[in-house]
Amino acid sequence: EPEVTQTPSHQVTQMGQEVILRCVPISNHLYFYWYRQILGQKVEFLVSFYNNEISEKSEIFDDQFSVERPDGSNFTLKIRSTKLEDSAMYFCASSGPSSYNEQFFGPGTRLTVL
Amino acid sequence: EDQVTQSPEALRLQEGESSSLNCSYTVSGLRGLFWYRQDPGKGPEFLFTLYSAGEEKEKERLKATLTKKESFLHITAPKPEDSATYLCAVQAHSNYQLIWGAGTKLIIKP
Repeated sequence: EPEVTQTPSHQVTQMGQEVILRCVPISNHLYFYWYRQILGQKVEFLVSFYNNEISEKSEIFDDQFSVERPDGSNFTLKIRSTKLEDSAMYFCASSGPSSYNEQFFGPGTRLTVL
Repeated sequence: EDQVTQSPEALRLQEGESSSLNCSYTVSGLRGLFWYRQDPGKGPEFLFTLYSAGEEKEKERLKATLTKKESFLHITAPKPEDSATYLCAVQAHSNYQLIWGAGTKLIIKP
């Protein structure tokens, strides 16, 4: 059964460092998303991506964040200068062929900023 | 403002004891309501999508229903492996994002 994969499973970084979180969405999906979940809190939307451009982003997704689909399979989230409050689980999701379809989630990357 | 509230926060049941979880929502034009299961340290696992009031969907011991203001996830004769956090999310017509509730942590004791 097709699934969303994410790497790494756990990333530890120093405050101010850049991190790149990687995701391989389900192959025939067209819509891609990043969400985050701070420990013990709700899942929060960051950004959606369709047709090689951002289709929607939240207030959390400021200039420190960027997304890219560098090739036909990978979808990345970059945080340029990490802050302590960026520590969270980051989930990639994909859906398609319509944005009406359910979103399927990867296992997450746990980001710890020291 | 679009909002999702789930109750109760936690629910402990004996194996075989049926119950329901509630998801109340306010959204400006509902596109869909989604139920997910989340195990500790894992990503949300898709269960159901409901699109219109009156719709029902079933999968094994779970049944989801939808009204214009809320959704229920009914669990019949649960087993310990049903223990997880159950998350409800809504998507508005004007958005791609899912707006999430805080979840109900379900514990089924053998």
